[in-house]
Amino acid sequence: GDSVTQMEGPVTLSEEAFLTINCTYTATGYPSLFWYVQYPGEGLQLLLKATKADDKGSNKGFEATYRKETTSFHLEKGSVQVSDSAVYFCALNRDDKIIFGKGTRLHILP
Amino acid sequence: DTEVTQTPKHLVMGMTNKKSLKCEQHMGHRAMYWYKQKAKKPPELMFVYSYEKLSINESVPSRFSPECPNSSLLNLHLHALQPEDSALYLCASSPGQGPFSNEKLFFGSGTQLSVL
Repeated sequence: GDSVTQMEGPVTLSEEAFLTINCTYTATGYPSLFWYVQYPGEGLQLLLKATKADDKGSNKGFEATYRKETTSFHLEKGSVQVSDSAVYFCALNRDDKIIFGKGTRLHILP
Repeated sequence: DTEVTQTPKHLVMGMTNKKSLKCEQHMGHRAMYWYKQKAKKPPELMFVYSYEKLSINESVPSRFSPECPNSSLLNLHLHALQPEDSALYLCASSPGQGPFSNEKLFFGSGTQLSVL
């Protein structure tokens, strides 16, 4: 069945470092792909999305490109801030269901 | 108003209690969802309501009973829960109209439930 695999955490970085969180997917057809973020004590928020191959989603300095050839949707940010500390979930849409990866916890040190 | 509001934020209940979780949105969304999230795990889909009708039940035990009284409200009635049901319960909504309309989920902050 369809699934999402993302890198295990936690990921710990210093402020202003470059961030990459890897995400790959398995799916038939061409699902839409998402990154959701969950800050401590809160629900999930959509961070960015891409609906077709080669689309780039971007928001708040984060970017991810839908790569059909490598079935990937890696999340990147050029300079992270302490406020980016959260859990990040990669996800895909299949038949009106959102399938989430296991999540990657990100810690940013000042 | 782009919020999904859940009450209560925290709930402690015994295994013989009956309680209800509430969720409200005023964005005109026609699809509403209940998710269960255990610590350090992704959310797991429990129920989906589409146009106030139950459209997806992910084989959830009958001790969880959803209800959608109107297009803005979603309840989850709890009865005879087990300690392993302790989790964060998240409500979400999405527009629910037209193609790709269910892709963006708007989540509430959740109810942290502890079953003793």
